[in-house]
Amino acid sequence: DAKTTQPPSMDCAEGRAANLPCNHSTISGNEYVYWYRQIHSQGPQYIIHGLKNNETNEMASLIITEDRKSSTLILPHATLRDTAVYYCIVRVESGGSNYKLTFGKGTLLTVNP
Amino acid sequence: DAGVTQSPTHLIKTRGQQVTLRCSPKSGHDTVSWYQQALGQGPQFIFQYYEEEERQRGNFPDRFSGHQFPNYSSELNVNALLLGDSALYLCASSWTGSAGLSQYFGPGTRLTVL
Repeated sequence: DAKTTQPPSMDCAEGRAANLPCNHSTISGNEYVYWYRQIHSQGPQYIIHGLKNNETNEMASLIITEDRKSSTLILPHATLRDTAVYYCIVRVESGGSNYKLTFGKGTLLTVNP
Repeated sequence: DAGVTQSPTHLIKTRGQQVTLRCSPKSGHDTVSWYQQALGQGPQFIFQYYEEEERQRGNFPDRFSGHQFPNYSSELNVNALLLGDSALYLCASSWTGSAGLSQYFGPGTRLTVL
């Protein structure tokens, strides 16, 4: 699986959009971009994933550049409960769940009141 | 519907001892993966069990072993504990019939080795 690069930390004001970048310049054509987050003392939580089109769900939006070498996770209206470590992961989608997730150190997002 | 559950929540052991951690997957899930998370690091994949067999393994020594039972629950065993084994151990469950996104994590077991 391709490696990813994320900033170690970011701050965001409550109610504003949080934009978390991820660089994955060595991504292959069949690798998806996944985002998970981990709130303190909890297990990681799936947020969203995509291949090349932008994706949106009830939690967030994922914007992938045309060359797929980078992506941005957008939390449209950040709340204090969104304070967490956010992980960007790229992996091959092989169907089924017989796979492993390779986590980096992620980005610590702190939402301030 | 209970999610992934792990026991115990916390555990303290001394060097050289052995430990067993337990995981019950989310209802309907048949695959269990184990991860180790050291302080300040992201989770690292240990191994994955499906149909009571180890299917994939990360870069961990043989001191780490596991088991999956017919009801899909799983155990992680670590022998000859080292100080460096102190970490949060996470269990994740999934269903082979689903897309890869459906991997659900438990709250973890915090292991401290003294």
